[in-house]
Amino acid sequence: AQKITQTQPGMFVQEKEAVTLDCTYDTSDQSYGLFWYKQPSSGEMIFLIYQGSYDEQNATEGRYSLNFQKARKSANLVISASQLGDSAMYFCAMILYSSASKIIFGSGTRLSIRP
Amino acid sequence: KAGVTQTPRYLIKTRGQQVTLSCSPISGHRSVSWYQQTPGQGLQFLFEYFSETQRNKGNFPGRFSGRQFSNSRSEMNVSTLELGDSALYLCASSLSPGQTYEQYFGPGTRLTVT
Repeated sequence: AQKITQTQPGMFVQEKEAVTLDCTYDTSDQSYGLFWYKQPSSGEMIFLIYQGSYDEQNATEGRYSLNFQKARKSANLVISASQLGDSAMYFCAMILYSSASKIIFGSGTRLSIRP
Repeated sequence: KAGVTQTPRYLIKTRGQQVTLSCSPISGHRSVSWYQQTPGQGLQFLFEYFSETQRNKGNFPGRFSGRQFSNSRSEMNVSTLELGDSALYLCASSLSPGQTYEQYFGPGTRLTVT
């Protein structure tokens, strides 16, 4: 079954520290993509980073990097030098290109940054 | 460039009523997807439209429907509302279905059913 699992419901991190948000996925498809969204309290989902299943290098976007380990089926998000504005819900998601671009979301991790 | 807009932002309805939500995508974006977000079920995909055609549909009852107009604006309709339909409804747009991973979301419509 196609599934995204985020095992950390909530995390507290000190400002300026790095943080890793865990994400594991399950699919038998060969062609898929993994990505992360940030959802502040305002409700709007903000696209952060994307990794294709055939991409050999880990994706990076500024302070965000995606640690893609295909054999382990994990796609952890790493935020370097966390900031107070990083406090939000973070969702890991998977897109299955063989299923007409169907997207599956994880349950989310609430990240709180302490000053 | 203006972002995705959704109207209304907040809505209160009673059981049995029907509701229509609107979404205007980013200019030039032709693909629009709808999601339902609830504390219990999380984010669930409702449907996706491209060129006025529904391309993909999630596991929701027929009470949930949508459409897309020639200007790419989209509406979703929920008939015979139930208490469980209370949720944040998010709309997202992308250039094309092949770029669904790089969607831009609107602020959402928070629907409360009493």
